[in-house]
Order: sequence, then structure tokens, then C-alpha cells
Amino acid sequence: EAGVAQSPRYKIIEKRQSVAFWCNPISGHATLYWYQQILGQGPKLLIQFQNNGVVDDSQLPKDRFSAERLKGVDSTLKIQPAKLEDSAVYLCASRQIRGPATGELFFGEGSRLTVL
Amino acid sequence: SQQGEEDPQALSIQEGENATMNCSYKTSINNLQWYRQNSGRGLVHLILIRSNEREKHSGRLRVTLDTSKKSSSLLITASRAADTASYFCATARGGTDSWGKFQFGAGTQVVVTP
Repeated sequence: EAGVAQSPRYKIIEKRQSVAFWCNPISGHATLYWYQQILGQGPKLLIQFQNNGVVDDSQLPKDRFSAERLKGVDSTLKIQPAKLEDSAVYLCASRQIRGPATGELFFGEGSRLTVL
Repeated sequence: SQQGEEDPQALSIQEGENATMNCSYKTSINNLQWYRQNSGRGLVHLILIRSNEREKHSGRLRVTLDTSKKSSSLLITASRAADTASYFCATARGGTDSWGKFQFGAGTQVVVTP
């Protein structure tokens, strides 16, 4: 079974530029998450999708971050314009079970963003 | 804010020793999970314990859960150099408004030296 795919693995941009990250979850996984992990910290949830609908985006900085999950499969996370504090690893995860919070998360390898 | 808080922040042990780390959380939960993250990689699920369970084993891993104290511990027995990683607890709250919402702690960084 293929895992969660993310690209690019690394991206270096200057502040005020834009960047986009792509995620392809495990086939059949209805729930998809984007997490931000700053160096030395735990993952922080940015947005959660159930199929192609947003379940929770309360911690997404909506003035600069946007995310979509078209057709309930792949997802894209965009940052525009980027700030220095956006330097982090962006992790995508998916989960098979809908409904009550059971079931493990499957993570991709992450996309490491450096903003100069 | 993050739900789980791991303790200690860092742990250095020798191969063959046991490693114990703790996780405390603030609100009621449906289940608690532990994940491992090797440097530069994504997180990998290790074990899940439900709120009505007190102890669970998986290979060299032993997890306990004390809901009265809102805490959990992860024990890795007979550690190996390959266990070097960061370990995170993740809590999943119950209730229909919290479906699938997992909150992670800051992690415990474990270094196992040969």
C-alpha cells in the first residue's frame, strides 16, 4: 500500500514570495490533515478535511494560508505572502476512519520550508 | 495551545537500558496515541490506548494511561540505537465536535548510544 505522498520535500523562498505544497493521501482515506511543525516543537494542526469539506481550519492563518482538497483526494496548501516565521516542516496526514476519533494517522515525509 | 505535554524534553540512555517518557493532558479524551519521528522524517504511529484501557503492550513498548491524573507513559524496554528519535503523544478528544481532532505535545527527544 502506497503511503502519503508530499512534494516538494524542500523549498527555499524569500519573504513575501508564495509557495504551494501538494499532498496525495493513502487511497480511500477520507480525512486529510495539514500540520505545521516548527523546529523543536510538536505538529500543530492547520486544517482538517473530511472528503472535500473543511472540518476545522480554526488555526489556519487565513490572511496568508489557503488550502483546498478538490474531489476529496489530493490537497494543496498555499502560503502567500510568506513570512520568516513560516519556516517549518509542513506535514500532511490522512486517516481511514471517519466519525469518532479513533484510528491512527498516516504521515507523509513532510515539506521543509525555509523563508529567507 | 498543545494538549499534551511530554516529560522529559530530552533523554539520553545506553543501549539495553529502558526509556520512560510521560505525557500529561488537560481535557477528557477518547484515546491517546504515541508516535515516533526520526530526524527529517514524518511521524510513525506506535500505539493507541483508549480511555477505558489502563495498559497496552506492543513488542518492546508498554503504554499506561491514568485518566484520573490525565497522564500517560511510554516505556521502551531494552532500547536500541535505532530507537533514537523524537516521541510524541497525541490526544483525541471525544464528542461529535471533536471528530478526528488530534493534538500533539512538544515531544521527548531520545538518544540511545551504543
